[in-house]
Amino acid sequence: DAKTTQPTSMDCAEGRAANLPCNHSTISGNEYVYWYRQIHSQGPQYIIHGLKNNETNEMASLIITEDRKSSTLILPHATLRDTAVYYCIARTGANSKLTFGKGITLSVRP
Amino acid sequence: KAGVTQTPRYLIKTRGQQVTLSCSPISGHRSVSWYQQTPGQGLQFLFEYFSETQRNKGNFPGRFSGRQFSNSRSEMNVSTLELGDSALYLCASSVGNMAPQYFGPGTRLLVL
Repeated sequence: DAKTTQPTSMDCAEGRAANLPCNHSTISGNEYVYWYRQIHSQGPQYIIHGLKNNETNEMASLIITEDRKSSTLILPHATLRDTAVYYCIARTGANSKLTFGKGITLSVRP
Repeated sequence: KAGVTQTPRYLIKTRGQQVTLSCSPISGHRSVSWYQQTPGQGLQFLFEYFSETQRNKGNFPGRFSGRQFSNSRSEMNVSTLELGDSALYLCASSVGNMAPQYFGPGTRLLVL
């Protein structure tokens, strides 16, 4: 699976949009981009995934660039409860293994 | 629909003992994966079971083993515990390939 690179940390104000970037320059055509988050000491929570089209669900939006070398997870109205470590993962459908990196720590400030 | 459940939630063992952790997947999910999370190594994949067969395996010693039952429930076993096995053990279930994995709350194991 392609390696993903994320900044170590970022913060945003409560109520504002949080845009979390991810680079996956070596991603192959059949690899999906998945986003998970982990709030301290809890199990990771699935957020969203996509292949090449932008995706939106009740939690977030995923914007994937046309060349698929990077993506952005958007939390439209961040709340304090969105403070967590966010992981961007690239994997093929045939591979059941999720390879977690260090993720990005998002801190939402009041 | 009920989420992934793991038992026990907390466990304390001593070196040399063995431990069995249990995972009940979301109803209808046939794939169960196990992960270990430590402060030093982060989240690492242990193995995955699908329809009672181990389909994928991470880079862990043979002391770590697992199995899956016909109802998709899964157990993992760690024999001859070492201090370094202290970790949060996470189970995730999925309907299958390409589908998202949904994680349980984890079992926190402390080896003394």
